[in-house]
Amino acid sequence: NAGVTQTPKFQVLKTGQSMTLQCAQDMNHEYMSWYRQDPGMGLRLIHYSVGAGITDQGEVPNGYNVSRSTTEDFPLRLLSAAPSQTSVYFCASRGQGYNEKLFFGSGTQLSVL
Amino acid sequence: GQQLNQSPQSMFIQEGEDVSMNCTSSSIFNTWLWYKQEPGEGPVLLIALYKAGELTSNGRLTAQFGITRKDSFLNISASIPSDVGIYFCAGPISSGSARQLTFGSGTQLTVLP
Repeated sequence: NAGVTQTPKFQVLKTGQSMTLQCAQDMNHEYMSWYRQDPGMGLRLIHYSVGAGITDQGEVPNGYNVSRSTTEDFPLRLLSAAPSQTSVYFCASRGQGYNEKLFFGSGTQLSVL
Repeated sequence: GQQLNQSPQSMFIQEGEDVSMNCTSSSIFNTWLWYKQEPGEGPVLLIALYKAGELTSNGRLTAQFGITRKDSFLNISASIPSDVGIYFCAGPISSGSARQLTFGSGTQLTVLP
């Protein structure tokens, strides 16, 4: 009963370093997305994908890249980390159709020094 | 940008008290969702509302879809310590190639023994 799995749980980076946050789901969901959570800001959409090979930008895409080579996986890449990217990152997925019930992973807490 | 205004931002209540929080928007929503986020975890869906005026319960939680379709309310009766967390309202918006969920900034609930 894994659902949406995110790794790592915690990460500390230095400014300018790159890294990939991993996300995998086992529910055969077509739609996957990445949100960041900052105090007082709620959850803001970074990127999303409606299926393998298809990605699109959300509200705050700058500084992040994504790709979707399989239905199960949707990694988020930070090419050159900045302190402004210190945040908690959540991956979420849902099925097709008129269904906004997102299922979230447990998050990755990222600190950029 | 963020379209949902959630209040209050935080609440400190005594165990056993009832809790009310609300979410408003300048735009009409056809669906309202309420999520709860416990410390160190991702948000989990509590209640989904699909019809103006709808009143839906989930245990001690009751949510209402406002008649104007621009607001929603969440009530928790007889609070207990495990109610602690951040409560988010959310609604779908059309953006890009799929409907996205936009979130309120959250209500941080603390239950004092």
